[in-house]
Amino acid sequence: DIQMTQSPSSVSASVGDRVTITCRASQRISNWLAWYQQKPGKAPKLLIYTASSLQSGVPSRFSGSGSGTDFTLTISSLQPEDFATYYCQQDNSSPLTFGGGTKVEIK
Amino acid sequence: EVQLLESGGGLVQPGGSLRLSCAASGFTFSDYAMNWVRQAPGKGLEWISGVTISGGSTYYAGSVKGRFTISRDNSKNTLYLQMNSLRAEDTALYYCAKARGSAVAGNFDSWGQGALVTVSS
Repeated sequence: DIQMTQSPSSVSASVGDRVTITCRASQRISNWLAWYQQKPGKAPKLLIYTASSLQSGVPSRFSGSGSGTDFTLTISSLQPEDFATYYCQQDNSSPLTFGGGTKVEIK
Repeated sequence: EVQLLESGGGLVQPGGSLRLSCAASGFTFSDYAMNWVRQAPGKGLEWISGVTISGGSTYYAGSVKGRFTISRDNSKNTLYLQMNSLRAEDTALYYCAKARGSAVAGNFDSWGQGALVTVSS
């Protein structure tokens, strides 16, 4: 199975800050990586797919990059509604696997 | 608007069985692969199973393989998850998730609200 490792596990930031979350795959997955946002008590929401493609309706302050084994999610200017937990997921091969999550908290 | 509505969750004893359903609407169900993803209380996301558009091919995580069975009825726009030999570690919120495309090995652009399964004596 492909292991997905996210870092950091949590980050404290202020509104307006630039936030970067990283995700590393245990083997090369080309650009088959997605990012999700999950707020407490809610289902996850797809933000980014194929590493850098923005899902329809997602604000442009979210961006993704990377290929192979190393990927990043960047929030260019953190907004109040962005405080949530973020997960990466590889969709290169079954079993599909998620990272452990990164909680973005208010500083 | 895409809607996914899970049902069938509840409290079950270890070793017991439960069947989850996911009623889909707002899209052409037979055009998309479907999946189940679970989340244990306070934990992260775990993909557990997926099924192709025809239902002819199914995929499972090792943690549930041999115990859970995914299926779909395209005539009823419904996805199922039959869960047997349930264990305490299967306690979780189970989400039905629509694939963004026809491939099972993909990502998920719509999710249900989840069905809670609690395995306890």
